[in-house]
Amino acid sequence: EDKVVQSPLSLVVHEGDTVTLNCSYEVTNFRSLLWYKQEKKAPTFLFMLTSSGIEKKSGRLSSILDKKELSSILNITATQTGDSAIYLCAVAEFNKFYFGSGTKLNVKP
Amino acid sequence: DAGVTQSPTHLIKTRGQHVTLRCSPISGHKSVSWYQQVLGQGPQFIFQYYEKEERGRGNFPDRFSARQFPNYSSELNVNALLLGDSALYLCASSLDPGAGYTFGSGTRLTVV
Repeated sequence: EDKVVQSPLSLVVHEGDTVTLNCSYEVTNFRSLLWYKQEKKAPTFLFMLTSSGIEKKSGRLSSILDKKELSSILNITATQTGDSAIYLCAVAEFNKFYFGSGTKLNVKP
Repeated sequence: DAGVTQSPTHLIKTRGQHVTLRCSPISGHKSVSWYQQVLGQGPQFIFQYYEKEERGRGNFPDRFSARQFPNYSSELNVNALLLGDSALYLCASSLDPGAGYTFGSGTRLTVV
């Protein structure tokens, strides 16, 4: 069974649009939730959310963790073509990590 | 500062062979984890090492093994390769298991 589920699987928007990516999880010993951006090979770290840090923001990107709903969202405002990538959500359990399948974002000019 | 470096970048092996993949973490990082990423899917967790000890293991067969050296670099070994082992193998390092991980560019393994 999938422990981390991301939605939507893919998304096409135009430059300037705002997008919201979703991640829901089900793990026994939640430690943290991480968001990554993957363009070609190496996923690039975006945010880490924990019980003591449920909201993060960096420029046009922001993320919120809802521990009650076991979910997180990643918001991107004023999207640019350079935001086109696969966005991965990962949940860290005590000594294991679970990744979702990712959301493929395509930002058109 | 150099990021996480992995070698080789690409590799072609025949079924039944053995492969060793290498990873050098960011200087000062003591935790290394390994992932397998099949095309179209998210990375699957294989191992986590911290201070040279295995701290976590994903649902992979015993054909997969790893180790971490005193300098915190790491090797992932896969025995008796199967076609299904073809994937991008990613290594990531972190200061400690509780911090965010920085990924290397991966090793693309093709088993024929």
